[in-house]
Amino acid sequence: DAKTTQPPSMDCAEGRAANLPCNHSTISGNEYVYWYRQIHSQGPQYIIHGLKNNETNEMASLIITEDRKSSTLILPHATLRDTAVYYCIVRVFGSSNTGKLIFGQGTTLQVKP
Amino acid sequence: DVKVTQSSRYLVKRTGEKVFLECVQDMDHENMFWYRQDPGLGLRLIYFSYDVKMKEKGDIPEGYSVSREKKERFSLILESASTNQTSMYLCASSSWTGNQPQHFGDGTRLSIL
Repeated sequence: DAKTTQPPSMDCAEGRAANLPCNHSTISGNEYVYWYRQIHSQGPQYIIHGLKNNETNEMASLIITEDRKSSTLILPHATLRDTAVYYCIVRVFGSSNTGKLIFGQGTTLQVKP
Repeated sequence: DVKVTQSSRYLVKRTGEKVFLECVQDMDHENMFWYRQDPGLGLRLIYFSYDVKMKEKGDIPEGYSVSREKKERFSLILESASTNQTSMYLCASSSWTGNQPQHFGDGTRLSIL
C-alpha cells in the first residue's frame, strides 16, 4: 500500500496562507492524492484531490510535484475554524475498484489569532 | 452538497447485545463504507458495498456484519457486542467512478459496557 508522511503539527497565523506538506514517494502512476480534514468529534471532511495537475476549489489548492512524490495543500487565508487534523491520503484500489482510504496520523494544524 | 447521515451520534450498549448502526446517503451513490476510528490506529475499513445486496469484507470484519437492502441505506450490525468494539464508527459513500472522493457522516461514538 502506498504510504504518506506528514509533519505531526503546524501553526499558522489567522489570515495567512497555511501550507501543509505531504510525502508519497511510493505512489503509483494511477493513484490519486486526497486531502481530508477532521475537526474534533466530527467525521472527516473531503477537501480536494488530484492526480498530477494542480487543483483548486473553493476550499483549497493542491500542488503536486512533477514526479508526484510529494504534494502541498494550501489554505489561502486560514481562519480559526480551519484548526483541525489534516490527512493526506493515497487511495488504494482493490479488485472491486471501490478503493479504500488509508488514513495516517495526519497533521494537526493550529490557527492562531 | 453530499449528505451522509448516521442515525445516532452517541450510543451506549451492553456486552452481548445486538447493535444496529444505520447510515443513509442522499446522493444516489453506489459505494458505501463502514470504518472504525480508534486513537493511534487511524481509520480501519470494516465492510463496504458497491451495490444493493452486495458486500465485501474490509480489513477488520470479525464480529460485524452489514446489510444493504436499498441503495441509500447501509447498516452495520454488531452481532454480539463486546467491550473491544467501543469506538467511533464512520460511514462514507462515493459514486462508482474510481477517483471520486468518499464523503463521511459525523460518526457514531459507541460505548459497550
